[in-house]
Amino acid sequence: SQQGEEDPQALSIQEGENATMNCSYKTSINNLQWYRQNSGRGLVHLILIRSNEREKHSGRLRVTLDTSKKSSSLLITASRAADTASYFCATDRLDDKIIFGKGTRLHILP
Amino acid sequence: DAGVIQSPRHEVTEMGQEVTLRCKPISGHNSLFWYRQTMMRGLELLIYFNNNVPIDDSGMPEDRFSAKMPNASFSTLKIQPSEPRDSAVYFCASSLASDQPQHFGDGTRLSIL
Repeated sequence: SQQGEEDPQALSIQEGENATMNCSYKTSINNLQWYRQNSGRGLVHLILIRSNEREKHSGRLRVTLDTSKKSSSLLITASRAADTASYFCATDRLDDKIIFGKGTRLHILP
Repeated sequence: DAGVIQSPRHEVTEMGQEVTLRCKPISGHNSLFWYRQTMMRGLELLIYFNNNVPIDDSGMPEDRFSAKMPNASFSTLKIQPSEPRDSAVYFCASSLASDQPQHFGDGTRLSIL
């Protein structure tokens, strides 16, 4: 069964705007990770946030985690054309199994 | 570091044939994962190894699929016999430990005719 569910499935925004993607999950986790996938390539790890952390930053990326709501969000500020990709959350469950969601397809319009 | 290396990048074969996908993980990584990605089902974990030992193969679809890791620098995923519904992109990933960030190869795009 799917653990992480990203929302929205697809998102189109103008270059320079901020993009927000959400991830909801069902069972308790050790950590949550966000990955990016460009067309025809493998996934690239962006950021890992542990269950005892609430917010984490990396460059233009900001990730939040709300364990009470079992949800996380990924914010990309000042979007660029190169940010066009699919974004996945992956939850590391307490049974030591990592589950990926189906992703959000982000398209940055020039 | 060369990253995770998968071969072949593309494979087209007829149903019933044996297919072998190969993966070389990043040196020093102790965990290796095999995934399958399709539009319908997304990214599915097939099997993962810790220190060359299979830990969880519950995602392997059926007995036609098998995976081996004879040493720390090489793994194979084999499908025998192959069927059209096996068509997908297969990814290999490795990490320092099973709960650490994973490094993905660029995948093998498999088409079974």
